[in-house]
Amino acid sequence: EPEVTQTPSHQVTQMGQEVILRCVPISNHLYFYWYRQILGQKVEFLVSFYNNEISEKSEIFDDQFSVERPDGSNFTLKIRSTKLEDSAMYFCASSETRGGGQETQYFGPGTRLLVL
Amino acid sequence: GNSVTQMEGPVTLSEEAFLTINCTYTATGYPSLFWYVQYPGEGLQLLLKATKADDKGSNKGFEATYRKETTSFHLEKGSVQVSDSAVYFCALSRTGANNLFFGTGTRLTVIP
Repeated sequence: EPEVTQTPSHQVTQMGQEVILRCVPISNHLYFYWYRQILGQKVEFLVSFYNNEISEKSEIFDDQFSVERPDGSNFTLKIRSTKLEDSAMYFCASSETRGGGQETQYFGPGTRLLVL
Repeated sequence: GNSVTQMEGPVTLSEEAFLTINCTYTATGYPSLFWYVQYPGEGLQLLLKATKADDKGSNKGFEATYRKETTSFHLEKGSVQVSDSAVYFCALSRTGANNLFFGTGTRLTVIP
């Protein structure tokens, strides 16, 4: 069964460093998402992406964050200058279409980011 | 605004016990409601969903009914198994949007 994959599974970085989290969505999916979960808190939406542009973003997704689909398979989340509070589990997801809220999103296993 | 509140865990049950995990929501319009499950080392997987009031979602013996009058979507299973041990997330999406609003997750451990 097709699945969303994410790399790395864990990343440790120093505050102020740039990190790139990578995701390979399911191949025929057109919509891509990033979410994060700070330990003990809710899973929070960051951004959705379609047709090579951001379609929606939350207030968390500020200028320090960017997303890119550099080729036909990868979808990346970049954090330019990491802060301690960026430490979280980051989930990538994809969906086949934009179903007006009813579409199933398929999630990857997550990347646990620790900023020291 | 839109939010989901779910029962805090962890929850520990014996095999074959009855499971309820409570979930209530606040939303504008008519959201769709979801339960996702995360098994150890894996991503969130859709367990079931309901897209309108009074719909019942079901899968793998789990059920949840979309109750608009109580703004709830409680997850139930009549007889849990050890393999049901996981973290369960309640979520909603707004009409016309794709981003999901999640609860904090409830960790379920089923012991033999």
